[in-house]
Amino acid sequence: QSALTQPPSASGSPGQSVTITCTGTSSDIGGTKHVAWYQQHSGKAPRLLIYDVTERPSGVPDRFSGSRSVYTASLTVSGLQAEDEAKYYCTSYAGNNNVVFGGGTKLTVL
Amino acid sequence: EVQLVQSGAELKKPGESLKISCQGSAFTFTNAWIGWVRQKPERGLEWVGIIDLGSPIIHSPSFQGQVTLSLDKSINTAYLQWSSLEASDTAIYYCARLPYGRWWNAFDMWGQGTMVTVSS
Repeated sequence: QSALTQPPSASGSPGQSVTITCTGTSSDIGGTKHVAWYQQHSGKAPRLLIYDVTERPSGVPDRFSGSRSVYTASLTVSGLQAEDEAKYYCTSYAGNNNVVFGGGTKLTVL
Repeated sequence: EVQLVQSGAELKKPGESLKISCQGSAFTFTNAWIGWVRQKPERGLEWVGIIDLGSPIIHSPSFQGQVTLSLDKSINTAYLQWSSLEASDTAIYYCARLPYGRWWNAFDMWGQGTMVTVSS
């Protein structure tokens, strides 16, 4: 069982927006700004999309955005494209040298 | 091309030792830590730890004492090793680059992964 809770699946049509949530506790998401999101296509290595809740690395389209409210972090993908179909993982610092991940959300583009 | 290249897949028996590698360029190893992440088959990601020369190695509590991280910056290579493998170590292991100034879960470049299979 993962430390952070994500819905197993999400879906949307091309051009639509989809939001994926990640729920933790006061020990992780609620207690740190170090929340990140990764995209992983099948058989590939993860790719960093968002770090420190809202920051986007260079090269990541601004269609991807992050936010947080109390113990829940969210990743919003706007203007869905076929290439966005992948698994998305959230991660948070949890104190005591501990970094935790969510179980992942499979995003399907209909 | 800027990248991290990991060693090939391994098939080992329980109790055997193993050392896998992750090689990059001078750029990838400059001003950065190198970290390791585990992914068990059809499972999620797990943070193993990070290493940089001159700094204490930071292990996840779950992996403390289970694996050894090491680094040779003279050849831009990082290593992950086990002294006695168990079946539960079967997974893909990724190395990844963590730039200075970023927190421990913000890896901006990843290797292709090394599949480690432990089976009798």
